[in-house]
Amino acid sequence: DAGVIQSPRHEVTEMGQEVTLRCKPISGHDYLFWYRQTMMRGLELLIYFNNNVPIDDSGMPEDRFSAKMPNASFSTLKIQPSEPRDSAVYFCASTAGGNNEQFFGPGTRLTVL
Amino acid sequence: QQPVQSPQAVILREGEDAVINCSSSKALYSVHWYRQKHGEAPVFLMILLKGGEQKGHEKISASFNEKKQQSSLYLTASQLSYSGTYFCGTESGGGGADGLTFGKGTHLIIQP
Repeated sequence: DAGVIQSPRHEVTEMGQEVTLRCKPISGHDYLFWYRQTMMRGLELLIYFNNNVPIDDSGMPEDRFSAKMPNASFSTLKIQPSEPRDSAVYFCASTAGGNNEQFFGPGTRLTVL
Repeated sequence: QQPVQSPQAVILREGEDAVINCSSSKALYSVHWYRQKHGEAPVFLMILLKGGEQKGHEKISASFNEKKQQSSLYLTASQLSYSGTYFCGTESGGGGADGLTFGKGTHLIIQP
């Protein structure tokens, strides 16, 4: 298996623009997580899905952030409009069932100018 | 609430041992340990579950004190490849997977 796939790997955009990050989890995994990593705040959980249904979105910082999982093999995280403080590395992770390791994707490094 | 890791950083000579601690103010169901190298994604090391079950790599040792809500990761006979930032991630729910709440990390530098 190719592991968790994220795209793009790097994104540079200007303040106010819409940004869409994409994630393909490992086939057969029923949980998908979105995390954000910054120097100041470390690794933070934004939202997670179970069987394509959002379970906990309490980590989503503002209404500017939204996430969807239309099917078991694809999820998006959208920021609209983007702001410089959204600059971070965004990781997607997936796992099968409970009490198992979470497999992280390579991350998307977002820079908002 | 974010678990607290200690120490924040440690520098070792190759072959020395290290202990990294993780403490939470919440009752925990499990503790996950990950290592992250600069510019890369976190990589799984171990899970410790309430009740004593552990899953992870054979060469990694860790403990979980459920009553104290603390976990420790033991790195023995350290190798250069052990360098990186170590994170503990905690879950308070049970059964199905939860998103992890990560500590701020412990930076480990191994020198030859």
